[in-house]
Amino acid sequence: DTEVTQTPKHLVMGMTNKKSLKCEQHMGHRAMYWYKQKAKKPPELMFVYSYEKLSINESVPSRFSPECPNSSLLNLHLHALQPEDSALYLCASAVDPTYEQYFGPGTRLTVT
Amino acid sequence: GQQLNQSPQSMFIQEGEDVSMNCTSSSIFNTWLWYKQDPGEGPVLLIALYKAGELTSNGRLTAQFGITRKDSFLNISASIPSDVGIYFCAGQQYGNKLVFGAGTILRVKS
Repeated sequence: DTEVTQTPKHLVMGMTNKKSLKCEQHMGHRAMYWYKQKAKKPPELMFVYSYEKLSINESVPSRFSPECPNSSLLNLHLHALQPEDSALYLCASAVDPTYEQYFGPGTRLTVT
Repeated sequence: GQQLNQSPQSMFIQEGEDVSMNCTSSSIFNTWLWYKQDPGEGPVLLIALYKAGELTSNGRLTAQFGITRKDSFLNISASIPSDVGIYFCAGQQYGNKLVFGAGTILRVKS
């Protein structure tokens, strides 16, 4: 089973809203990732968690706040987003940071 | 930063044709990955390559890890309509983040 699940599938939020994206995997993977993807572009790395600790923050604005409550779950908390933050947000996981990454189906976020 | 040069940028296929795409880099990678992405979905891992010179198949897909560690190609044999989508190559140096190519868009010739 190489499944990464993400909820919600779609999200529309205003610039003053607070919302959260959720990612889950039950493969025992110890590395989890958040990516942002614009149409027809490759994914851009935002955050990496390795063994539940934040190991990489790619200079992401503080309006995006990641959280890893346990080894199976990864959240991305959103607050005061801008319209240019509208994108497909992808979660991925790997056995550890040296192994191949498996992506979830993504959350399509629209900021109005 | 590091970049991968992926080509072609886009291509049209006729059902039954073989398809080739490749990625090159100025840097050495320990791992090469090939993903396919359908519209509105996340990338799906097609093939992972770990050793220089490695040639790996997955059904109609064949990929190779270049001997110099700076390139990889993906071949699709006897293409079918569901092969359309965007294909991304990605390279990884040990434990570091993935570096993606810009993608190859595969379309069906009508």
